[in-house]
Amino acid sequence: NTKITQSPRYLILGRANKSLECEQHLGHNAMYWYKQSAEKPPELMFLYNLKQLIRNETVPSRFIPECPDSSKLLLHISAVDPEDSAVYFCASSHTVSGNTLYFGEGSRLIVV
Amino acid sequence: QQQVRQSPQSLTVWEGETAILNCSYENSAFDYFPWYQQFPGEGPALLIAIRSVSDKKEDGRFTIFFNKREKKLSLHITDSQPGDSATYFCAASETGANTGKLTFGHGTILRVHP
Repeated sequence: NTKITQSPRYLILGRANKSLECEQHLGHNAMYWYKQSAEKPPELMFLYNLKQLIRNETVPSRFIPECPDSSKLLLHISAVDPEDSAVYFCASSHTVSGNTLYFGEGSRLIVV
Repeated sequence: QQQVRQSPQSLTVWEGETAILNCSYENSAFDYFPWYQQFPGEGPALLIAIRSVSDKKEDGRFTIFFNKREKKLSLHITDSQPGDSATYFCAASETGANTGKLTFGHGTILRVHP
């Protein structure tokens, strides 16, 4: 899937700060960050619609999203915790209502 | 409270058999039910979806059967192939709410033996 690109794909961190990046080439209005821990379903973290943050699930404050333009999404992570080890997926949809969600390939974060 | 439940947790079938994956939900307001297929190391990808106004949706070897009264649906994969081995997530949303929230089940791991 080259329509939603994420970087980096793999990340091994100690208690450092890092940002995940996502770009979608689908012209969608809604962009999401999901967290998927081992053998669990994806869990919604944040949702932006037309660059506005409209959903902010219960997420530790060390995760800060940013939407610099309608096709890009960032996730800034500060002072990571071992429980943050997971795959972080960026996703997008045409609108927020009942449309197909397209996922990127994910950024695997390993906290050591 | 888990709003979308899937069973079984894992399923093994032989090539050529029909795999049946089950899903149930709690919220009567859910009206859109996509199934996502996820291979290891990849993001989930939409496989097939159904809206609550329909009781069946077919796409090739994949068919969703939907029972609104019982709040249950199932995904049937006929003539299963080894390439179908993946995790399948049932999901649900309330389109009228415009919340963008898609509730996922915990998934069924399907293995198809050649």
